[in-house]
Amino acid sequence: EPEVTQTPSHQVTQMGQEVILRCVPISNHLYFYWYRQILGQKVEFLVSFYNNEISEKSEIFDDQFSVERPDGSNFTLKIRSTKLEDSAMYFCASSPFEFPAGQKVEKLFFGSGTQLSVL
Amino acid sequence: GQQVMQIPQYQHVQEGEDFTTYCNSSTTLSNIQWYKQRPGGHPVFLIQLVKSGEVKKQKRLTFQFGEAKKNSSLHITATQTTDVGTYFCADTKPDSWGKLQFGAGTQVVVTP
Repeated sequence: EPEVTQTPSHQVTQMGQEVILRCVPISNHLYFYWYRQILGQKVEFLVSFYNNEISEKSEIFDDQFSVERPDGSNFTLKIRSTKLEDSAMYFCASSPFEFPAGQKVEKLFFGSGTQLSVL
Repeated sequence: GQQVMQIPQYQHVQEGEDFTTYCNSSTTLSNIQWYKQRPGGHPVFLIQLVKSGEVKKQKRLTFQFGEAKKNSSLHITATQTTDVGTYFCADTKPDSWGKLQFGAGTQVVVTP
């Protein structure tokens, strides 16, 4: 079964440094997302991306964050000037655009995540 | 903004027993999705409920959507050790795609 792949699985960085988290969504999916999960907490939406532009973003996704689809397969999340509170598991997800029987089904496929630790 | 509340936060279950986890909202939900996250894993889509009063079954899992679309439940019968994990409900938004608001989850521990 196709999977969303994320690299690296773990990333340790110093506060103030920039990190790039990488994702390869499922090839025929149209929507891409970044979510994050702080340890022991719920999964939080960061941003959605469709047709080569940001579709929606949350309050968390401020100017420190950016996303890019540099080629036909990769989808990246860049975090500039990392802060301690950016430490979390970052999940990439993708979804097809499905309307079975006229009903939209937003089935998200999540990658295994990148555990970001900011020291 | 709208909050999706899940209860209980933790559930210890003896293998073979049944349990139910609940998802509640103070406002009407659009659609409700359920995801399972194994320890150390990523969320995996289980199901989406759309209609008021809808009931769907997946083997030992029964999902319900309340008549007023303000609550949902997941009932698992004859719990197995493979049911260990955190079960999240998530509200979708009618005017967006994939922007899910997750509840805090119910962490399920199964005792053999």
